[in-house]
Amino acid sequence: DTGVSQNPRHKITKRGQNVTFRCDPISEHNRLYWYRQTLGQGPEFLTYFQNEAQLEKSRLLSDRFSAERPKGSFSTLEIQRTEQGDSAMYLCASSLETGGPFFGQGTRLTVV
Amino acid sequence: GDSVTQMEGPVTLSEEAFLTINCTYTATGYPSLFWYVQYPGEGLQLLLKATKADDKGSNKGFEATYRKETTSFHLEKGSVQVSDSAVYFCALSEGAAGNKLTFGGGTRVLVKP
Repeated sequence: DTGVSQNPRHKITKRGQNVTFRCDPISEHNRLYWYRQTLGQGPEFLTYFQNEAQLEKSRLLSDRFSAERPKGSFSTLEIQRTEQGDSAMYLCASSLETGGPFFGQGTRLTVV
Repeated sequence: GDSVTQMEGPVTLSEEAFLTINCTYTATGYPSLFWYVQYPGEGLQLLLKATKADDKGSNKGFEATYRKETTSFHLEKGSVQVSDSAVYFCALSEGAAGNKLTFGGGTRVLVKP
């Protein structure tokens, strides 16, 4: 499968714990995006990378959130000290500089 | 800032009916426009896109035309099937396609046999 891959697909964590999600983009895509989607809403932009550089961060991305893309390949999104409001679907997408982004299937986070 | 407004669902149709989902946008520049579809239990799939005014995107029998004068990108399909039941999202990106997307709230479509 040469699409965008996200792991894990589901994560249940206790409030206050840290979680990390991984995204493997389509191999030749230099742009990588993270979005968050809550039930019944459209995805909201969190951050994006061009190669290894993080070029933009939404103000939705609080200090508890950090994203990395070492060597411009896979990316990780870490949430520290999770809160119940962090429960959502976290989506990763990748693209070339032109062309619609292609999305992975997402990681569903439930904070209990 | 940029925004996308979609008609609220759910939209319930019978098989072979005509489908229209309205989408209008607000943007400061000349955005690219997209429709994504999310089937039950699956991720977002790019359905079609248009990058400049009067362009028509089409795929799988769906069409949408970029109308700059009305800032709209309505999605249409002439004859829907049960398998078209999904949530449809309209989105825009500023500048060339590939930049970050701003999504509408989504429209759920249910097609009954």
